[in-house]
Amino acid sequence: DTGVSQDPRHKITKRGQNVTFRCDPISEHNRLYWYRQTLGQGPEFLTYFQNEAQLEKSRLLSDRFSAERPKGSFSTLEIQRTEQGDSAMYLCASSFHGTSGRDTQYFGPGTRLTVL
Amino acid sequence: AQTVTQSQPEMSVQEAETVTLSCTYDTSESDYYLFWYKQPPSRQMILVIRQEAYKQQNATENRFSVNFQKAAKSFSLKISDSQLGDAAMYFCAYRSAQGGSEKLVFGKGTKLTVNP
Repeated sequence: DTGVSQDPRHKITKRGQNVTFRCDPISEHNRLYWYRQTLGQGPEFLTYFQNEAQLEKSRLLSDRFSAERPKGSFSTLEIQRTEQGDSAMYLCASSFHGTSGRDTQYFGPGTRLTVL
Repeated sequence: AQTVTQSQPEMSVQEAETVTLSCTYDTSESDYYLFWYKQPPSRQMILVIRQEAYKQQNATENRFSVNFQKAAKSFSLKISDSQLGDAAMYFCAYRSAQGGSEKLVFGKGTKLTVNP
């Protein structure tokens, strides 16, 4: 068990550019979550997948954001036409959702995005 | 919608002393989970302790314990014998147990400083 990994750890981009982040969950986990954390705030939910299906999206996830989990393993989060307000830490978490309901979310180290 | 409030933006404690971090939440649900997560500087978020709302007994994990008051919707974290490594941001989080995404709803966090 190597934990949740995210790539890249840091990304600096210019306003208007597209960026893509990757998350690799813990191998047996069937749920994958994306959160956004801005300075001085707690993480806010963006979207989640169960296996390859995207089952919920927050209103925070504008049309410029898209997430995929094509084979139910890793996931990508793409932001098109980045804006300065997109600057934040993007956190990925994974869990195993079973019948017990006791699934715990394990977080990755995050990708820090800076939009200039 | 559920909300989580952490009223203490910053707290400090002397090494080996005890500190209590406060958290209140608002929900109309009867079945849910509560969590404390720790986020050290520039490191990933890790789970400290969890509490199931249906359990009256307060959860404990080594030096960490909670005071769960369901009627008051209060969920405080007590850290005993504080260590330098406990210095971090601490986030209180709520998760519904009534199906759906089971996303985490976080408070804004409390920054804990441990003084030698």
